[in-house]
Amino acid sequence: DSGVTQTPKHLITATGQRVTLRCSPRSGDLSVYWYQQSLDQGLQFLIQYYNGEERAKGNILERFSAQQFPDLHSELNLSSLELGDSALYFCASSVVPLQGNTGELFFGEGSRLTVL
Amino acid sequence: QQQVKQSPQSLIVQKGGISIINCAYENTAFDYFPWYQQFPGKGPALLIAIRPDVSEKKEGRFTISFNKSAKQFSLHIMDSQPGDSATYFCAASSWGGKLIFGQGTELSVKP
Repeated sequence: DSGVTQTPKHLITATGQRVTLRCSPRSGDLSVYWYQQSLDQGLQFLIQYYNGEERAKGNILERFSAQQFPDLHSELNLSSLELGDSALYFCASSVVPLQGNTGELFFGEGSRLTVL
Repeated sequence: QQQVKQSPQSLIVQKGGISIINCAYENTAFDYFPWYQQFPGKGPALLIAIRPDVSEKKEGRFTISFNKSAKQFSLHIMDSQPGDSATYFCAASSWGGKLIFGQGTELSVKP
């Protein structure tokens, strides 16, 4: 158990809909990362937050947004869903943002999104 | 330039054999190279990591070999066991930067 909690574990919805994925980081971790895992794209970095502020952005679509709240939990909002958004969405946390030769990301078990 | 290329996509090894997974990168600013292991239904978990100032790091049956001039690094699993069957991801990051993952290698160790 990594200590990172993600909900829901599974989600089935229709195209055009909006969903929210939630992540609770490990106790004491200030940095939260979101990754998308699909069969053909591997693990794609979406976005990172540190202590409530956006730190880095990856290949995140404009239809997607995220935030980190004062209690450090994070939410990833996916809107106007398309079939291609079906994937595993992982949240990870670390004590501080990765700094070169240090740092370990602790991953949750993921939220599997199926868009029909 | 931000990509990390990983090969092979899948690998079948007999029990007791050596599993070798290779990765290559372009960005010379990368200075942290971890390997993550992912079992079905679970999130990735850190297996072993290396910095570019060393050419090899060994932890038990797992060894990272690093070639800075070639911008390549590899994971060697000695005496591979069926319990090692998982998906392995190489990754790289630069100071304060995001962790970029390779495409993953699905390893199957046959008894």
